[in-house]
Amino acid sequence: EAQVTQNPRYLITVTGKKLTVTCSQNMNHEYMSWYRQDPGLGLRQIYYSMNVEVTDKGDVPEGYKVSRKEKRNFPLILESPSPNQTSLYFCASSLTGLAGGAGGGFFGPGTRLTVL
Amino acid sequence: EDQVTQSPEALRLQEGESSSLNCSYTVSGLRGLFWYRQDPGKGPEFLFTLYSAGEEKEKERLKATLTKKESFLHITAPKPEDSATYLCAVQAGETSGSRLTFGEGTQLTVNP
Repeated sequence: EAQVTQNPRYLITVTGKKLTVTCSQNMNHEYMSWYRQDPGLGLRQIYYSMNVEVTDKGDVPEGYKVSRKEKRNFPLILESPSPNQTSLYFCASSLTGLAGGAGGGFFGPGTRLTVL
Repeated sequence: EDQVTQSPEALRLQEGESSSLNCSYTVSGLRGLFWYRQDPGKGPEFLFTLYSAGEEKEKERLKATLTKKESFLHITAPKPEDSATYLCAVQAGETSGSRLTFGEGTQLTVNP
């Protein structure tokens, strides 16, 4: 079954404690991205990756890091989380990053993060 | 800066009552406009991609259209299972891998 998986699905942590949210896709997609969704602000792109070892900033990259060492995985790293990073996070993937070939892609089920 | 505005914020319909959702956008160099459906507690689900003004796409009771300034998602004879938040997003820019910018969505409720 084609899917994007995220772990953990729910996480409560404290300010400053480093954490990683994993994202994995089984469709051999080149393009992967991370979003956060907040009430009143909608979905905002954090980082995206066109392919292995190629990443770029989205609209709200501050406080986040990513890496793309393998095609299937795209972890999101919060090195020193703060309460304003409390949000619902989605990972997504698509065949390519170009509108002409990507379609809309697949989204993961989401990770609800609370930073106290 | 790319901007996407969706209206209305919320819409209540009776089953069978057709209507339209609007997505207005301001971008430099539109490469694609996307429509998604999002159910509570789940990730967005892709519906359509539109690439150029005049293009239309259909799927069951949904039809998406695109002009140079806006897109409409027409819902014909909706059913309660069409209740969801509908999101619009644009991809713009001159280079490959350009960012995706979302609107805040329209929350649709279809009453039986």
